[in-house]
Amino acid sequence: SQQGEEDPQALSIQEGENATMNCSYKTSINNLQWYRQNSGRGLVHLILIRSNEREKHSGRLRVTLDTSKKSSSLLITASRAADTASYFCATNSGYSTLTFGKGTMLLVSP
Amino acid sequence: GAVVSQHPSWVICKSGTSVKIECRSLDFQATTMFWYRQFPKQSLMLMATSNEGSKATYEQGVEKDKFLINHASLTLSTLTVTSAHPEDSSFYICSARDNQANNHEQYFGPGTRLTVT
Repeated sequence: SQQGEEDPQALSIQEGENATMNCSYKTSINNLQWYRQNSGRGLVHLILIRSNEREKHSGRLRVTLDTSKKSSSLLITASRAADTASYFCATNSGYSTLTFGKGTMLLVSP
Repeated sequence: GAVVSQHPSWVICKSGTSVKIECRSLDFQATTMFWYRQFPKQSLMLMATSNEGSKATYEQGVEKDKFLINHASLTLSTLTVTSAHPEDSSFYICSARDNQANNHEQYFGPGTRLTVT
């Protein structure tokens, strides 16, 4: 069943601006992951944050996790046109399965 | 490393026919693979968990007799859509977990676009 809810559903920004996407979930988790999907393609793993972590960085990506609010955010700094894609959060609750959110479609205009 | 392939990348079939989709882990062994379905502009919905050497575990609402899963080796899982109908048209994506890795990461295939006419 769907657990994560991302907002916004769609985001349109200019190159160089920052993009922030949020994800909320309902049950307790072991970790939360962010994925990227280009149109009609498979998923690319971006970053994983464990339930005992609050913030994680990877290049231009910054992920935060607030387990008390059951929410996470993904920040992409200095966005580029090539960042245009859909971004999904996915939660892992201790079993091997992932539950995906509805995703945010990001459009970065040159 | 950690590459997952799918074949075919796209397929068009007539209503009533069956279609087989392959998912392969190319450079690692995967006891567990997962099959997802994604409708246009929607998220991924887990259909089933494929376990090497045993029966797949299907999510609620997924017909096991319609979506046949076979995980005969540590590098290959197949999904067969039997008696396909237009409503089965979708993007099917598989993923695999590396047996040797201690993380929870799943490696995703590029997806298979199925169109049933």
